[in-house]
Amino acid sequence: GIQVEQSPPDLILQEGANSTLRCNFSDSVNNLQWFHQNPWGQLINLFYIPSGTKQNGRLSATTVATERYSLLYISSSQTTDSGVYFCAVTSYNTDKLIFGTGTRLQVFP
Amino acid sequence: KAGVTQTPRYLIKTRGQQVTLSCSPISGHRSVSWYQQTPGQGLQFLFEYFSETQRNKGNFPGRFSGRQFSNSRSEMNVSTLELGDSALYLCASNVDRVGYGYTFGSGTRLTVV
Repeated sequence: GIQVEQSPPDLILQEGANSTLRCNFSDSVNNLQWFHQNPWGQLINLFYIPSGTKQNGRLSATTVATERYSLLYISSSQTTDSGVYFCAVTSYNTDKLIFGTGTRLQVFP
Repeated sequence: KAGVTQTPRYLIKTRGQQVTLSCSPISGHRSVSWYQQTPGQGLQFLFEYFSETQRNKGNFPGRFSGRQFSNSRSEMNVSTLELGDSALYLCASNVDRVGYGYTFGSGTRLTVV
């Protein structure tokens, strides 16, 4: 089945810094989402982005479907950005979300 | 509009018991999926329901089952609980499978003692 890899696994930043999270996938996808899991466990949908570029405030994401990767950019990070960021995909061969192992982000004041 | 609602938020059960978790999707969403999250295995797909029919099932034993009602609300049931069933159970809803994003509920944290 499709494999989803995220990097880096851990990221420690000081408030105000910028960061880039990467998601690589092994096959063509028809759905790609970025989620932020808060300390209470809820997965917050950040972007639905099977291709192209989107921006939402300090966050933006780009998916290059032909090269099978997606990037999540966080600018001017805040302590509230801390948590685990997951990339998840569905492909034409599977109809379930396949999650990466996540990037744990810690932002310190 | 209201999000995905999962109840209860927390549960403590004894090994051997059974448990039922509930998920109410966003109004108008007909697809409901269930996922299990554990520290060791990450997020794993359990099953998906669409219009009261199970469309897909993950690699979990038969002790894990689910159903969907005509109003799209879904329940999952775990029988004969084992310690390893302790996990965060997350429900996601979608308008349909492809072309739209999934929205997750807050989850039910199950502890089996």
